[in-house]
Formats: sequence, structure tokens, C-alpha cells
Amino acid sequence: KNQVEQSPQSLIILEGKNCTLQCNYTVSPFSNLRWYKQDTGRGPVSLTIMTFSENTKSNGRYTATLDADTKQSSLHITASQLSDSASYICVVSEGGTNAGKSTFGDGTTLTVKP
Amino acid sequence: DAGITQSPRHKVTETGTPVTLRCHQTENHRYMYWYRQDPGHGLRLIHYSYGVKDTDKGEVSDGYSVSRSKTEDFLLTLESATSSQTSVYFCAISPREPTNEKLFFGSGTQLSVL
Repeated sequence: KNQVEQSPQSLIILEGKNCTLQCNYTVSPFSNLRWYKQDTGRGPVSLTIMTFSENTKSNGRYTATLDADTKQSSLHITASQLSDSASYICVVSEGGTNAGKSTFGDGTTLTVKP
Repeated sequence: DAGITQSPRHKVTETGTPVTLRCHQTENHRYMYWYRQDPGHGLRLIHYSYGVKDTDKGEVSDGYSVSRSKTEDFLLTLESATSSQTSVYFCAISPREPTNEKLFFGSGTQLSVL
């Protein structure tokens, strides 16, 4: 069964600090990996999408990395702001005969404190 | 939320009653999806549509039906609601089959079945 595991489950950091969220997956064959940000009471919003050949992708203060060999991804947040408090969800999509089928992780809840 | 409106935003109903949730989009996107989000499970696909009157099941479709009579509207019906269907329901849209496309999500409907 395809799985997406995220760690840590929750994280508290001080404003201005950096943090890194992890995503490990077993999805195969791999098509792409996406990171979403979900604010409380809202739907997820896409941050980055990475395909097999991409190792790093940035979106402002968010930088995602992908190691397709070890099936790991990370999301690094630089100089955190209070508005970064949210749940961050890793989503991995299949290729091949199940192209487009996506498996969602449970998310990491980030709290940024002043 | 990318021109997506979910209604109602909150609903409380009793076990055994039918419930219909509505997703309305103004983006003219071809693909529409219904997900449920529960603690410990991440987002799970219920049903999706790839065009008017074209729908297919997701991984947790039992107890749910959908209809899409117009491009802009995608309805999710719980024929006879059960307590296990208490969840947050999200509608999502995509312009093309999302192999490498991001999804745009609505703000969600909180459904409580008592």
C-alpha cells in the first residue's frame, strides 16, 4: 500500500527561526510530489510541485527538496513569520497505470510564536 | 479560494438522513474532486469528475454518490448519513488531469452526523 509519512507531527518555533519538515513516501511508480499549506479552517494551497528530475524548488521563503532515490522530501522554511502557522501537507502522485492517483500525508502542524 | 464556493460551510444532521453538499466553481475547470479530511488519515478522495456527467469513484466512495450536470457544479450526496461520515469535506478543481497539475481547494464543509 502506498504511504506518505510526515514528521514531525507538530512543531513549535519562534518567529524568525528556520525549520525543516520531512516527508517519506513509498509511492511507486513516482510521478510528482507536492507540498501544500493549509491554514486553520481553510482548504490547502499549493506551495511547490516537484517531478522526478527536480532536486530543489523554491517559493519565496519555502524551499522543497526531493531525493527520489531514498524517497524523501523536505520543506525548509526560512525566517519564519507568524503567518506561517499552519498545517503543511505532502502529497505524492503515482505514474504509470495509476497516473494521477495521489496519496496525502497527515500533515505537520507548525506553530510560530512571537 | 480560486473561485470555488462550497455550501453549506457547516451542517449538523441526524443519522439516516440524506445530505447534499454543493461545490460551485467559476474557473471553468474540467476536473472536480470531493475529498474528506479526518485526523490521522490525511485527505482521502471520495469521487471525482472529469467532465459533465462523467464521474468515477475514489478510494472511500462507499455511502456517497455524486452528480455533475453542469461544468460549474459538483454535488456530493450522502444517501443515509452515518456517524462515520462526520468529517470535513473539501472540493477541489483542476484545469487538466492533475498528473503534474496542482489542485485548487475550496474552504471546506464541516459535517457533523449525530
